[in-house]
Amino acid sequence: QIQLVQSGGEAKKPGASVEVSCKASGYTFSSYGINWVRQAPGQGLEWMGWISVDNGNTNYAQKFQGRVAMTTDTSTSTAYMHLRSLRSDDTAVYFCATGGQWDSARELDYWGQGTLVTVSS
Amino acid sequence: EIVLTQSPGTLSLSPGGRATLSCRASQSVSSSQLAWYQQKPGQAPRLLIYAASSRATGIPGRFSGSGSGTDFTLTISRLEPEDFAVYYCQQYGRSPYTFGQGTKLEFK
Repeated sequence: QIQLVQSGGEAKKPGASVEVSCKASGYTFSSYGINWVRQAPGQGLEWMGWISVDNGNTNYAQKFQGRVAMTTDTSTSTAYMHLRSLRSDDTAVYFCATGGQWDSARELDYWGQGTLVTVSS
Repeated sequence: EIVLTQSPGTLSLSPGGRATLSCRASQSVSSSQLAWYQQKPGQAPRLLIYAASSRATGIPGRFSGSGSGTDFTLTISRLEPEDFAVYYCQQYGRSPYTFGQGTKLEFK
């Protein structure tokens, strides 16, 4: 079965960077793109962006442009989300989710379990 | 960006009842590129409906989606105890792919 397993929680100080990983199994990694979605405590869902595993194309929400980088490692079937210049309002659970292979415009089929990133001085 | 407004914010019903959840978009959602997700506390969201009305794999038939343009509806025909959760709509027709603020379905 398709599974996405994310890395463990992180505690960071304002201004630092964080990298969250998402290891895929149960399918051919390049068959889906990977989206990243976050959820602040007690709040709703916020789409951050998408990366095509097949060709490396990305589509980032403008809100995160310049601060986020999404990458993949096909040798380990792992996707990464790197967010820099962290602020306290970046405190959230970050989810990876499968999506379109070549086009970001697709529903999010399968989700990782989430990674809590806490930003505090 | 497209703003999705879900109503009601909270819906109080009993098992066996019928739930109707609304999602209204600030602009027309192209090609009915709208999805519904269910989220329970401490869990990741689960895809229920995509393309406005297509059920995702393994989703029971009591869940149905409808609508087009700017008005979409998720209907749960006979509520089971496990259906009490928060439901989100998401449009993926125009980037950024925004979510509604959610509807909480709670026990009456």
